[in-house]
Amino acid sequence: NAGVTQTPKFQVLKTGQSMTLQCAQDMNHNSMYWYRQDPGMGLRLIYYSASEGTTDKGEVPNGYNVSRLNKREFSLRLESAAPSQTSVYFCASSLTGGYGYTFGSGTRLTVV
Amino acid sequence: GQQLNQSPQSMFIQEGEDVSMNCTSSSIFNTWLWYKQDPGEGPVLLIALYKAGELTSNGRLTAQFGITRKDSFLNISASIPSDVGIYFCAGQNYGGSQGNLIFGKGTKLSVKP
Repeated sequence: NAGVTQTPKFQVLKTGQSMTLQCAQDMNHNSMYWYRQDPGMGLRLIYYSASEGTTDKGEVPNGYNVSRLNKREFSLRLESAAPSQTSVYFCASSLTGGYGYTFGSGTRLTVV
Repeated sequence: GQQLNQSPQSMFIQEGEDVSMNCTSSSIFNTWLWYKQDPGEGPVLLIALYKAGELTSNGRLTAQFGITRKDSFLNISASIPSDVGIYFCAGQNYGGSQGNLIFGKGTKLSVKP
């Protein structure tokens, strides 16, 4: 009953450091997504992967890269973290693009 | 790009009261969804609507897909403390390579016991 699993749950980075946020789903979903959530801004799409082997930019991709490692896993990388990337990051998955999403419980990232 | 206007931004209500929130868009959607986010958790799907005019209930929750396909509302009857959280509407069009959800900015609900 895991659904969408995100690691880590919390992270503090110094400006300029790099890190990778991990996401895995066990529902055999084809599509996976990365969102960031900031107060008053709702959920904004960073990158998505419609199917294994494809990735596309969302609304706010600058400063991020992604890898769809296999059907289960979709990682988000910050190469050089900036304070503006302080946020809560959510991974989600769906069977295809035409269905609602299942979200993970989030990674709270602080960049100092 | 497409944007959703969700209102109100926040609500403070007494336990037992009914709640109503809505979402409007300048463009049409094929699907409307309502999510709830508990503090420290990811959003969880409450109701999905697939047809214009559709009215769907899930316990004390009722949601409608507007006839114009540009709006949706969510009602919560007889609120209880565990209704506290952020409620997001989301619109979706599918076809092509996308079908991504567009989210409203959320309605933060506080319930006073």
